[in-house]
Amino acid sequence: KAGVTQTPRYLIKTRGQQVTLSCSPISGHRSVSWYQQTPGQGLQFLFEYFSETQRNKGNFPGRFSGRQFSNSRSEMNVSTLELGDSALYLCASSAGQGAAEQYFGPGTRLTVT
Amino acid sequence: GQQVMQIPQYQHVQEGEDFTTYCNSSTTLSNIQWYKQRPGGHPVFLIQLVKSGEVKKQKRLTFQFGEAKKNSSLHITATQTTDVGTYFCADDQTGANNLFFGTGTRLTVIP
Repeated sequence: KAGVTQTPRYLIKTRGQQVTLSCSPISGHRSVSWYQQTPGQGLQFLFEYFSETQRNKGNFPGRFSGRQFSNSRSEMNVSTLELGDSALYLCASSAGQGAAEQYFGPGTRLTVT
Repeated sequence: GQQVMQIPQYQHVQEGEDFTTYCNSSTTLSNIQWYKQRPGGHPVFLIQLVKSGEVKKQKRLTFQFGEAKKNSSLHITATQTTDVGTYFCADDQTGANNLFFGTGTRLTVIP
């Protein structure tokens, strides 16, 4: 099976712009979670989708949003970018509900200037 | 809110030495998962611990879950250069795939 894929891998944006990141989970996986990784804050949970429904949301401002499509592919959007949004954005997929192993994608490295 | 601290933050060892990282939570942990992230890479799942006092082994790696489910540890015997990376513990708080990650321990192995 192909692993989790994320596009784009690298992105440079300017403050105030918006950005959309994409994640394709492993075939058959219905849960997609998004995480932000920074040197200062570490790995932080953004949100999780299962069967097109957001089930959980982390402690991030409303500028961070996401969605999941019927084929389980997911996108996250960040509006009005700030310098502090520079980070590695990781998505992870898992097979289903419950305490399940998560498979991470390679991430999208976002730089905000 | 929940805090999951890992100690040490950094560890340098000579190849062949043992290594241990400790994961301590301010609240009771649900299920502990351990991940390894190589430099420039993404987290890769190692193992999950569910029961109080549980011990699991994977070759040179030994994972433990504390009796009170407030701490966990990962021990590597006879480290190799391939063990280099950052090791994270993560609490699967609700069983709904929203992991609360620890602060991580970065391991360097000197050949």
